[in-house]
Amino acid sequence: DIQMTQSPSSLSASVGDRVTITCRASQSISTSLNWYQQKPGKAPTLLISAASTLQSGVPSRFSGSGSRTDFTLTISSLQPEDFATYYCQQTYSTPFFGPGTKVDMK
Amino acid sequence: EVQLVESGGGVVRPGESLRLSCTASGFTFDDHGMSWVRQAPGKGLEWVSGINWKGGSTAYADSVKGRFTISRNNAKNSLYLHMVRLRAEDTAFYHCARGKHGGYGPQDYWGQGTLVTVSS
Repeated sequence: DIQMTQSPSSLSASVGDRVTITCRASQSISTSLNWYQQKPGKAPTLLISAASTLQSGVPSRFSGSGSRTDFTLTISSLQPEDFATYYCQQTYSTPFFGPGTKVDMK
Repeated sequence: EVQLVESGGGVVRPGESLRLSCTASGFTFDDHGMSWVRQAPGKGLEWVSGINWKGGSTAYADSVKGRFTISRNNAKNSLYLHMVRLRAEDTAFYHCARGKHGGYGPQDYWGQGTLVTVSS
């Protein structure tokens, strides 16, 4: 199986901050990398697929980049509704989620 | 509006079986692959199993391979997960999720989940 790691595991930030979360695959996955947002008590929502394709309705402050083994999710200006946990997922082979990054308020 | 509603969760003892169902509406069910994703309380997401649009291809996480079976009935817009030889570590919310395309992911719509508790 292709394993996924994320860093940091948690971060504290303020509204307006630029936030960057990194995801690394244990082997090359091309651009088969997705990002999800999950708020407490809610099902996850898909933000970005294929490393950089923003889902319909997702604000443009979210962006994704990367290929092969190293990927990044960037929130250009953190908004109050963005405090949540973010997961990456590879779908190059049997799908596998990263452990998550919790973004909370500083 | 896309809706996915899971049912069938409950409390079972280790070694017992359970069958989860997911009823889909608001989209053409047989255009999409489907998955089950679980989340133990307070833990992260774990993709469990997926099935392609036609039902001819399935995949499983190593943790459930040989114990769980995914299936679908396109005529009934329904997805299923048959779980046998359940273990305490299978305790989780089980979410039904729609694949964005015909295969196993990414998952663009999710149900709210059904809770499976395995305890003696």
